[in-house]
Amino acid sequence: GQSLEQPSEVTAVEGAIVQINCTYQTSGFYGLSWYQQHDGGAPTFLSYNALDGLEETGRFSSFLSRSDSYGYLLLQELQMKDSASYFCAVDSNYQLIWGAGTKLIIKP
Amino acid sequence: EPEVTQTPSHQVTQMGQEVILRCVPISNHLYFYWYRQILGQKVEFLVSFYNNEISEKSEIFDDQFSVERPDGSNFTLKIRSTKLEDSAMYFCASSEYGDRGGNQPQHFGDGTRLSIL
Repeated sequence: GQSLEQPSEVTAVEGAIVQINCTYQTSGFYGLSWYQQHDGGAPTFLSYNALDGLEETGRFSSFLSRSDSYGYLLLQELQMKDSASYFCAVDSNYQLIWGAGTKLIIKP
Repeated sequence: EPEVTQTPSHQVTQMGQEVILRCVPISNHLYFYWYRQILGQKVEFLVSFYNNEISEKSEIFDDQFSVERPDGSNFTLKIRSTKLEDSAMYFCASSEYGDRGGNQPQHFGDGTRLSIL
């Protein structure tokens, strides 16, 4: 079967750093994406890793290790507006296979 | 910034009826997708579409579902004989490229909330 595992919920303090992990097992793999979704909103693309290593985009960074079938999203200098659900998704054969999402709760 | 638009934002339908959900992808994008998200659950892939034909479909996308690009701008999802369990948010997405490893980012519309009574 195909599966992605990520924590259901993470809590952090405003201004802190948080890491959301994702492990995957899929039949095809071309890359790992991260999407943000606020309650009632549409998923918004954050980052994509096709190769091993770290990709940095402003306050957000994403890491991939293909040999470990593992990736993470790192959010720095957390702001209250970062409170949302974060989904990892595997790019596999013309489709995205999604994890169940991690709800990020940020406390002042 | 160009965006994907979906109509209607909310559709209420009696069980057994047919519904058509509409999407206008970003104009220069070539690859189109439909996803489903049941309330509180993960996003589920339904189908991808390119050059007027389906590229890939999931197990969810059975004979009850069909997609069409009736003209140069619209992309539709038809659900026949709707069931209670079809109630969900349906998202349309598009990407500039669709080749393996190149179909990111996908740009999502705001979704259509489908409620089956």
